[in-house]
Amino acid sequence: AQSVTQLGSHVSVSEGALVLLRCNYSSSVPPYLFWYVQYPNQGLQLLLKYTSAATLVKGINGFEAEFKKSETSFHLTKPSAHMSDAAEYFCAVSYNTDKLIFGTGTRLQVFP
Amino acid sequence: DTAVSQTPKYLVTQMGNDKSIKCEQNLGHDTMYWYKQDSKKFLKIMFSYNNKELIINETVPNRFSPKSPDKAHLNLHINSLELGDSAVYFCASSQGKTGFHNSPLHFGNGTRLTVT
Repeated sequence: AQSVTQLGSHVSVSEGALVLLRCNYSSSVPPYLFWYVQYPNQGLQLLLKYTSAATLVKGINGFEAEFKKSETSFHLTKPSAHMSDAAEYFCAVSYNTDKLIFGTGTRLQVFP
Repeated sequence: DTAVSQTPKYLVTQMGNDKSIKCEQNLGHDTMYWYKQDSKKFLKIMFSYNNKELIINETVPNRFSPKSPDKAHLNLHINSLELGDSAVYFCASSQGKTGFHNSPLHFGNGTRLTVT
């Protein structure tokens, strides 16, 4: 079955440190990949998306993700964490169908 | 102006009751969705409507009945509420039926349903 896996349900970093949130997809066909962020008591917002153009995708708030077909990965990174980055992050995949399949989420905590 | 708005924000009710959640989008999108987020934050699609036509129904109990009076509105009615229905329900919209690659999902802020 086509799915997306997020390794690590919780990630903690210090302010200013590198953020790395992992996402792997399982599919034999090229997917569309997305990262969404959910702040407390809010809906999800799109951070960035991969749609088969450039493999390195830049998103909002300084986040970026790289599509690596050989590793079936789409990890999310940010060079320097900010306190305001603390949130739940969801990787999602679509195969040009009507469905968007979400991963189980990774909670990012940022310590001062 | 809120792009996707849902009401109510919180809903506390007893088992066996019937309740509705309303959703409206002012983005001019063609497609609207209901997602359920459980206590572990797992998000699962329930329904999708495109121009008032049901296009996704993900093996949701028939106690759940979506209704789309027009393409800007998608309401969710739940009959005979059960404890397991407690969750956060998110409404979302997007442009087009298969518009995920061209248009992201826009989410409402959720309705936290608690069944006691």
